[in-house]
Amino acid sequence: ETGVTQTPRHLVMGMTNKKSLKCEQHLGHNAMYWYKQSAKKPLELMFVYNFKEQTENNSVPSRFSPECPNSSHLFLHLHTLQPEDSALYLCASSQEGTDGNKAFFGQGTRLTVV
Amino acid sequence: AQSVSQHNHHVILSEAASLELGCNYSYGGTVNLFWYVQYPGQHLQLLLKYFSGDPLVKGIKGFEAEFIKSKFSFNLRKPSVQWSDTAEYFCAVNAQQTGANNLFFGTGTRLTVIP
Repeated sequence: ETGVTQTPRHLVMGMTNKKSLKCEQHLGHNAMYWYKQSAKKPLELMFVYNFKEQTENNSVPSRFSPECPNSSHLFLHLHTLQPEDSALYLCASSQEGTDGNKAFFGQGTRLTVV
Repeated sequence: AQSVSQHNHHVILSEAASLELGCNYSYGGTVNLFWYVQYPGQHLQLLLKYFSGDPLVKGIKGFEAEFIKSKFSFNLRKPSVQWSDTAEYFCAVNAQQTGANNLFFGTGTRLTVIP
């Protein structure tokens, strides 16, 4: 248990659906991240939020829309996805400004787009 | 259940010292193995990966790792560390049989290199 919780763990959605992934951390961290893990590829950074402000958008298509309502919660809203978006989506949090800013990872949401 | 163990939580070395960070996993099938590094103030970056073939894998910045299947280990090594190697290092395992959509991280090892 890392202190970072992601829901749902598994999600199957059609290309016309709208769904959201949720990430929650109660570690008191001030930075949160979305990563994507595709087959045979390393992790890809998608979004970074520091103090609830988005500080990095790594050329992610607009069909992925992040939301950070407070420092403990991070959402990834999904709409009109493509089959190639099927992947494991990982959330992480860290405390920016301290030595090392070690990341703590959630268990991921396995997304399948059909 | 699959798990990844990094037994060294914090390692402190002087420059030019040799490094070995341990990583052990629990899964009986075929695995893909990764080492990621997180430098202060940055996000994760891939150091090296193993999918198949030569169990001794060379990565960036002089790092290498050796997959020893019989020991379920994938230890990271560097012959001579530099101050710029100060970072958090994560080992990760993906079980091939179940596809790419699972990835298990170790808890990370903080490396501090003293000039």
